[in-house]
Amino acid sequence: DSGVTQTPKHLITATGQRVTLRCSPRSGDLSVYWYQQSLDQGLQFLIQYYNGEERAKGNILERFSAQQFPDLHSELNLSSLELGDSALYFCASSVALAGSEEQYFGPGTRLTVT
Amino acid sequence: AQSVAQPEDQVNVAEGNPLTVKCTYSVSGNPYLFWYVQYPNRGLQFLLKYITGDNLVKGSYGFEAEFNKSQTSFHLKKPSALVSDSALYFCAVRNNNNDMRFGAGTRLTVKP
Repeated sequence: DSGVTQTPKHLITATGQRVTLRCSPRSGDLSVYWYQQSLDQGLQFLIQYYNGEERAKGNILERFSAQQFPDLHSELNLSSLELGDSALYFCASSVALAGSEEQYFGPGTRLTVT
Repeated sequence: AQSVAQPEDQVNVAEGNPLTVKCTYSVSGNPYLFWYVQYPNRGLQFLLKYITGDNLVKGSYGFEAEFNKSQTSFHLKKPSALVSDSALYFCAVRNNNNDMRFGAGTRLTVKP
């Protein structure tokens, strides 16, 4: 168990809808990262927050947004969902900002868009 | 832009034999290199990393990796494979821009 929690485990929704994925980092970790894992795209970095502020952006679509709250938990919002958004979404956390730090991954949220 | 290549989709080895999972990278500046393992229906687990210093890095579960700057490689190795090592292995590279890039993954199967 990495200490990173994600809810829900599974989510099934229809095209055009909006969903929110939630992540709680390990105790003491200030950085939160979001990743998307799909069969065709592999593991893609989406976005990073550090202590409430956005710090790095990867291949995140404009329909997706995220935030990190004062208690350090984070939410990933996915809107106007398309079939291609079906994937595993992982949250990871690390203590601080340094590029040398390893990340600890949550168990993921499996999103199915029908 | 940085990138990672894992040239083998699949690696098969017999239990007790040595294993190697290959990784090459491209990054500007000094790289931070990582190996992660993913078991079915689980998140990724950190195995080991290279930051600086000794080119041979030792990690969890008896794994090690060798950083080779001239060949821009960071291959994962284990002297004696176990059936329980069967999983999906990801190599990743990061620089100080905090953009983490993962390879496509290599599925390791260890047969008894």
